[in-house]
Amino acid sequence: KAGVTQTPRYLIKTRGQQVTLSCSPISGHRSVSWYQQTPGQGLQFLFEYFSETQRNKGNFPGRFSGRQFSNSRSEMNVSTLELGDSALYLCASSLNGLENIQYFGAGTRLSVL
Amino acid sequence: GQNIDQPTEMTATEGAIVQINCTYQTSGFNGLFWYQQHAGEAPTFLSYNVLDGLEEKGRFSSFLSRSKGYSYLLLKELQMKDSASYLCAVRDRHKLSFGAGTTVTVRA
Repeated sequence: KAGVTQTPRYLIKTRGQQVTLSCSPISGHRSVSWYQQTPGQGLQFLFEYFSETQRNKGNFPGRFSGRQFSNSRSEMNVSTLELGDSALYLCASSLNGLENIQYFGAGTRLSVL
Repeated sequence: GQNIDQPTEMTATEGAIVQINCTYQTSGFNGLFWYQQHAGEAPTFLSYNVLDGLEEKGRFSSFLSRSKGYSYLLLKELQMKDSASYLCAVRDRHKLSFGAGTTVTVRA
C-alpha cells in the first residue's frame, strides 16, 4: 500500500506570492489534515478535511486555506506569503479523522525569500 | 485551548530505560498520541491512550492519567536507533495539538 505522497518536496517563493501544496492520502483514507512545522513553534495543526469539507481548523490566518477532492486528495494554499511562512508543511491521512492514527507524508519544505 | 509541556532534551545510555513526561491542559480531551520523528523524516505513530492506564507495545509503553492531565512514554532497552524526537499530541473536540517534542539522544 502506498504511503502519503506530498508534492513538491521543496519550494522557494518570494514574499507576496502564493503557493499550492498537494497531498495524496493512503488509499481508503478519507481524512486529510495539514500541519506546519518550524524549529520555534514545533508541529502546529492547520486544518482537517473529510469528505471534501473542512471539519476542524487551527489558529492560522485566512491566508491559509485548503480543499479536498472527491478522491480524498487535498491541496493547501497559502496566499500573500510572508517570511515567517518558511516551514516544513506536513500532510497526514487517517481512516476517519483526528481520533485515528495519523500517517504523515514526507512534507514540503517551503522557503520564502 | 491547548497547553502541552514535555522536556526539551534527554540523554540515556544504550540498554537503559528513559521516561518522557507530557502534561497537558485541554477542554474536551479525546485521546493522546505519541509519535516518533527522526531528523529529516516524517513523524510515525507509536502509541495511543484514551482511557487511564498503561498501554504496552514491545519496548515502548505509554501511560495516561486524565484527571492529572499527564502521560508518559517509556522506552526500554534503548537502542541507538531510538535517538529521535518524541512528540506528545492531544486530541480535543476540534483539533490535534502537538507538544514541542523531546529529543532523546542514546549514547553507546
